[in-house]
Amino acid sequence: GAVVSQHPSRVICKSGTSVKIECRSLDFQATTMFWYRQFPKKSLMLMATSNEGSKATYEQGVEKDKFLINHASLTLSTLTVTSAHPEDSSFYICSATLIGGETQYFGPGTRLLVL
Amino acid sequence: QQPVQSPQAVILREGEDAVINCSSSKALYSVHWYRQKHGEAPVFLMILLKGGEQKGHEKISASFNEKKQQSSLYLTASQLSYSGTYFCGTEYYNQGGKLIFGQGTELSVKP
Repeated sequence: GAVVSQHPSRVICKSGTSVKIECRSLDFQATTMFWYRQFPKKSLMLMATSNEGSKATYEQGVEKDKFLINHASLTLSTLTVTSAHPEDSSFYICSATLIGGETQYFGPGTRLLVL
Repeated sequence: QQPVQSPQAVILREGEDAVINCSSSKALYSVHWYRQKHGEAPVFLMILLKGGEQKGHEKISASFNEKKQQSSLYLTASQLSYSGTYFCGTEYYNQGGKLIFGQGTELSVKP
């Protein structure tokens, strides 16, 4: 149980285009999902907290207009990187918590490369 | 407010033990431990919520000190499969479940 999927697993795009990443909880409902970014050999940096039916809460330094988050249902959150640039290239990982739970279950991650 | 993990890296022979520490400058609501292999997502190991708590998972166990500012992960009789980067994720009170991760400890187990 507690499986989280992400799609796509890898994406290569041209500079200036937008990319959407989906995060789904497959066998449970999640009121809260989290989005992280990870650079090679570095820690996971929290970007935003996504709550179903409400606006996401962004961490300091994360541009809301650049990284659009939508949490339309209890099993799906999306992250859209708008007007992507090479510096946005990174490993993006989402996590989800069961309703009333404490543990964050992570998705497999999406590797984004912007050329 | 990022917790401090130590050591940054450790190399073991199969069967040896290791301890990874995670320290915070203020009291925590909880500590979560994860292991991440290269190119993969972090895998949940365990969560500690109570001061003085000790919890085990096969040959991997962890403790949370009474003041809830420091946690240690214990790896005993290490196996090759234990290799990876270990992260502690710390949750402060009234933060809505948000985790702040330490910088990671890279563990390599050699035959």
